[in-house]
Amino acid sequence: EVQLVQSGAEVKKPGESLKISCKGSGFIFSNYWIGWVRQMPGKGLEWMGVIYPGDSDTKYSPSFQGLVTISADKSINSAYLQWNGLKASDTAIYYCVRSNGADTSSWYLWGQGTLVTVSS
Amino acid sequence: QAVVTQEPSLTVSPGGTVTLTCASSTGAVTSGYYPNWVQQKPGQAPTALIYSTKNKHSWTPARFSGSLLGGKAALTLSGVQPEDEADYYCLLNYGDGHLIFGGGTRLTVL
Repeated sequence: EVQLVQSGAEVKKPGESLKISCKGSGFIFSNYWIGWVRQMPGKGLEWMGVIYPGDSDTKYSPSFQGLVTISADKSINSAYLQWNGLKASDTAIYYCVRSNGADTSSWYLWGQGTLVTVSS
Repeated sequence: QAVVTQEPSLTVSPGGTVTLTCASSTGAVTSGYYPNWVQQKPGQAPTALIYSTKNKHSWTPARFSGSLLGGKAALTLSGVQPEDEADYYCLLNYGDGHLIFGGGTRLTVL
């Protein structure tokens, strides 16, 4: 079964660092793009960026460039989203999503989401 | 950065037909933007419905169809069911891995 399983909910304080994960199974992880999407409380979906685990080619949305780091480890079929210095405004659900093929034109499968809460 | 615009909300009666649209601030939406449509029900993760304008995933009900209409991407639901009540988002591809979601349409079945 093709799956994306994300790491569990996190509660952090402002200024702390965090790395959340998205693990794929049932497919050749290196051959598909993985995107990251933010959903702030009660708001819509926002595209953050994508990575191709095969060669770690990474593209960021201008709104998120420099604010987060997207990475991947193809040896363990995992992609990551990382913050250095969280803010309260980073409180959101973060989803990973897998492409349908080897390009970014179509999107196939979503992870279950990771809730990140940043509060003092 | 471009802005992708959708109707904030629409209401449809059960069994009816409704069309949701997706416009780009850069001009007409063409197949080259590879429009994707995503459904999100309350409290759930999103689910992919349509890709590359009109292609359905294996799990996409036949009553959902995608198209281009008057310079916009469109998602049409024919024979709407109560379980279709959800938020719907379009996703456009501006090239080089740059993608943007629309603001979403809340569909009410009433």
